[in-house]
Amino acid sequence: GDSVTQMEGPVTLSEEAFLTINCTYTATGYPSLFWYVQYPGEGLQLLLKATKADDKGSNKGFEATYRKETTSFHLEKGSVQVSDSAVYFCALSDRSGYSTLTFGKGTMLLVSP
Amino acid sequence: DTAVSQTPKYLVTQMGNDKSIKCEQNLGHDTMYWYKQDSKKFLKIMFSYNNKELIINETVPNRFSPKSPDKAHLNLHINSLELGDSAVYFCASNPRGGDNEQFFGPGTRLTVL
Repeated sequence: GDSVTQMEGPVTLSEEAFLTINCTYTATGYPSLFWYVQYPGEGLQLLLKATKADDKGSNKGFEATYRKETTSFHLEKGSVQVSDSAVYFCALSDRSGYSTLTFGKGTMLLVSP
Repeated sequence: DTAVSQTPKYLVTQMGNDKSIKCEQNLGHDTMYWYKQDSKKFLKIMFSYNNKELIINETVPNRFSPKSPDKAHLNLHINSLELGDSAVYFCASNPRGGDNEQFFGPGTRLTVL
């Protein structure tokens, strides 16, 4: 079945540092890929998405590129802020009929001033 | 103006009790979901409904019974609660499967004592 693997956290960075959170996936067919963010005590919000190979999703300074050849969708940000502290989830949707999201285990990001 | 709402936000109860969690979306979406997030933040799909019909049931114990009185509501009833049911339960919706973003509710933290 489909699966998503992302790096374990917590990832601890100082403000303005460069962020990479790795995500790889296994899926049949051509899934859509997502990054969701969960701030403390809140539900999940879509951060960005990409629906086909070589697409780049971007939002709020975060970027991720759909790499079919390496089955990856790594999340990057050039300069993190304290307000970026949250749990980040990589997910895929298999697009077959009424598709659901398959999530990675989440990566906690802690940014200190 | 809340898009996806859940009640209650917190639920503390004894083992063996029966409880319900309610979910409503005002986005006009056709498809609704229940996800379970365990203590390690892992998210897993439980159910999916489309226009009040059950589409996906991911090997959830039959103590869990979703009910959709109309396409804007998907409630979750749990019988004979067990310690292992303690988790955060998220409701979500989207217009259809495929690439569309899923919109999540704020979650219901269930604690079984």
